[in-house]
Amino acid sequence: EAGVAQSPRYKIIEKRQSVAFWCNPISGHATLYWYQQILGQGPKLLIQFQNNGVVDDSQLPKDRFSAERLKGVDSTLKIQPAKLEDSAVYLCASSSIGTSGYYEQYFGPGTRLTVT
Amino acid sequence: DQQVKQNSPSLSVQEGRISILNCDYTNSMFDYFLWYKKYPAEGPTFLISISSIKDKNEDGRFTVFLNKSAKHLSLHIVPSQPGDSAVYFCAASKTGNQFYFGTGTSLTVIP
Repeated sequence: EAGVAQSPRYKIIEKRQSVAFWCNPISGHATLYWYQQILGQGPKLLIQFQNNGVVDDSQLPKDRFSAERLKGVDSTLKIQPAKLEDSAVYLCASSSIGTSGYYEQYFGPGTRLTVT
Repeated sequence: DQQVKQNSPSLSVQEGRISILNCDYTNSMFDYFLWYKKYPAEGPTFLISISSIKDKNEDGRFTVFLNKSAKHLSLHIVPSQPGDSAVYFCAASKTGNQFYFGTGTSLTVIP
């Protein structure tokens, strides 16, 4: 079974530029998450999709961040314009109910964004 | 509001000894707990989990203990190996597919 795919793996941009990240979840996983992880901190949820609908985007800075999952499969996360404090690793994850009977979450490799 | 806390940012252990990583939570509605391991430049990988109806789950060298009354869980690694050196995240969920993460503990296993 293929894992969660993300691209690009690394991105360096200047502040005020825009950037987009792509994620393809594990096949059949209805729930997709985007997290921001700043060095030394745990993953912080930005947005959660159930199929192509938004479940939770309460911590998404909507003035500059946007995300979509149009066909309920892959997703893109965009930042426009970027700020220095957006430098972080952006993790995509997907989940489904495991053999435990509970939802189990699987992560992609992440995209390391550096804003200069 | 940090609902899941890992108060030890780092831990160093000699190879062959036991590593104990701790995690505390505040929300009594959490019913499923997970540990993830993260190497540099990789995403977190699922390690082991436990539901709130159990107090122990074991998988090879890894055992997770849950103390619901204290709202505390711990991950034991015995024996510790140099390849276990990584950042370990504790996570919790409540009757669904929303997860809350701790800030991580960086484990170094010294050969």
